[in-house]
Amino acid sequence: GQQVMQIPQYQHVQEGEDFTTYCNSSTTLSNIQWYKQRPGGHPVFLIQLVKSGEVKKQKRLTFQFGEAKKNSSLHITATQTTDVGTYFCAGRGSSNTGKLIFGQGTTLQVKP
Amino acid sequence: DAMVIQNPRYQVTQFGKPVTLSCSQTLNHNVMYWYQQKSSQAPKLLFHYYDKDFNNEADTPDNFQSRRPNTSFCFLDIRSPGLGDAAMYLCATSRESSNQPQHFGDGTRLSIL
Repeated sequence: GQQVMQIPQYQHVQEGEDFTTYCNSSTTLSNIQWYKQRPGGHPVFLIQLVKSGEVKKQKRLTFQFGEAKKNSSLHITATQTTDVGTYFCAGRGSSNTGKLIFGQGTTLQVKP
Repeated sequence: DAMVIQNPRYQVTQFGKPVTLSCSQTLNHNVMYWYQQKSSQAPKLLFHYYDKDFNNEADTPDNFQSRRPNTSFCFLDIRSPGLGDAAMYLCATSRESSNQPQHFGDGTRLSIL
C-alpha cells in the first residue's frame, strides 16, 4: 500500500540554525499537508500543497512540493525555541478516497 | 470559538473493561476521524465517518468500534481493552474527505491497568 517516509526522525539544532525535514511517497500524491504537533499537544494544520513544483512560504517556513508530486520538504530558517515540536507530512493519494497517510514525523529540538 | 472537543482528556480503565471516548465538534464538518497515536509515532487512522457513512480501516482491530449519532458527536468504543491499546486517541474533523485540512481535538490519553 501507499507509504510516506519522512526523515530525519529527530533533529537537534542550535537556536538560529536552519532546519529541514523531507518527505517521500511511494506513489504520486494528489496533495500533501503539513502539521505541527507541540509536545503534549495535538497536530495543527500548517499548509497544503497541491501543484507540481509548488513553493509556499509562511514567515520563516518554506514548503516545497516536488515536480513529480512524490516528495516534499519543510525548511525553517533561523530556528527559534517556539519551533520545537514534531512536524508531520501527510499525503493524499490520487487513487484512494481521500485518506491522509502520515509520515513518521520529525521531532525538532532547539537549544537556546 | 468553533472547535473539536474530546472528553475526557485522560481515561484510565482496567484490562478488558469496555471504555468509550467521546468527541464533539462545532465546525459542522461532514467528516469525523478517529486516530490512535502511540508515543513518538504518527497518528494511525482507525476509521472515519463521511456524514453517516462509516469507513473502517482494514487493519483496525474488531475490538474498536465507533458511533456517530449526529453531525456533532462521534464516539470510539473499545470493547475489551488490552495493554497494547494504551495510547493517545485523537478525533479530527474536515469539511469533506479531499483537499481540506483536518482539525484535531486535544486527544484522550488512555491508560490500561
